[in-house]
Amino acid sequence: QKEVEQDPGPLSVPEGAIVSLNCTYSNSAFQYFMWYRQYSRKGPELLMYTYSSGNKEDGRFTAQVDKSSKYISLFIRDSQPSDSATYLCAMTLYGNNRLAFGKGNQVVVIP
Amino acid sequence: DGGITQSPKYLFRKEGQNVTLSCEQNLNHDAMYWYRQDPGQGLRLIYYSQIVNDFQKGDIAEGYSVSREKKESFPLTVTSAQKNPTAFYLCASSISSTGGPTYEQYFGPGTRLTVT
Repeated sequence: QKEVEQDPGPLSVPEGAIVSLNCTYSNSAFQYFMWYRQYSRKGPELLMYTYSSGNKEDGRFTAQVDKSSKYISLFIRDSQPSDSATYLCAMTLYGNNRLAFGKGNQVVVIP
Repeated sequence: DGGITQSPKYLFRKEGQNVTLSCEQNLNHDAMYWYRQDPGQGLRLIYYSQIVNDFQKGDIAEGYSVSREKKESFPLTVTSAQKNPTAFYLCASSISSTGGPTYEQYFGPGTRLTVT
C-alpha cells in the first residue's frame, strides 16, 4: 500500500462548478497536510496547508482533514478556467523535511 | 526577487552521457531537494540536503549524484547508469527543521530532460 493515494484521473468541470479532490493515506503519524497546485510545465506551488484535523478556508478554496479516516479533501468553489491545473496532495510529520506526495489530479475547468 | 532557478529549461542528451542540472536558490533556505516527475507518477524524491556538505538519498537515488558545496546551490548529475533518465526534474528548498515550519517547499520551474 502506498503511503498516499490520489486518483490521478483527469477531472473536467464546467466553469462555476464545485471541484472536489481527495487523498487517502496510511501513516497515522502525519500531522501536516498540504495541497500544491501545478500549472502545465511549471513547478508546484503551495496552495493550502492544514495542521492536524479540521477545516481551513482561503477564498474559494477549502481544505479538510479527517485524521480518523486518514482522508483529506480540497474543494474549489465557483471554479474558473484559471483553476485548470494539476493538484497534488502532500503530507509530513512534525519537523520532518520529507514530504509524501500523491500522484496529482488534473483538473480542467471548461468555460 | 527571492526564488529558485533551474537551468536549462529543456535539455537534450545522447544515451551514455552524464548531464548536470543546475539549481540555485536565494531564499536562504538550509534544505534543498531534487524530485523526478513522470506522467501519472507524482513527485519522487531523488536526493535531499539539510545542510551544506551533507546530503541523503531519497527513494530513487540510483543513477544520480549530487553535491552541496554552497548553501544556495544543489546541482544534480544524471549519470549514464540511470536506466530511464527522460523526465521532468524539479528542485525545491525549505527552511530546515531547526527553525520554523518545515512543511512548505518552494519549487523551481523544472528542467525537462530528454535522453535519446
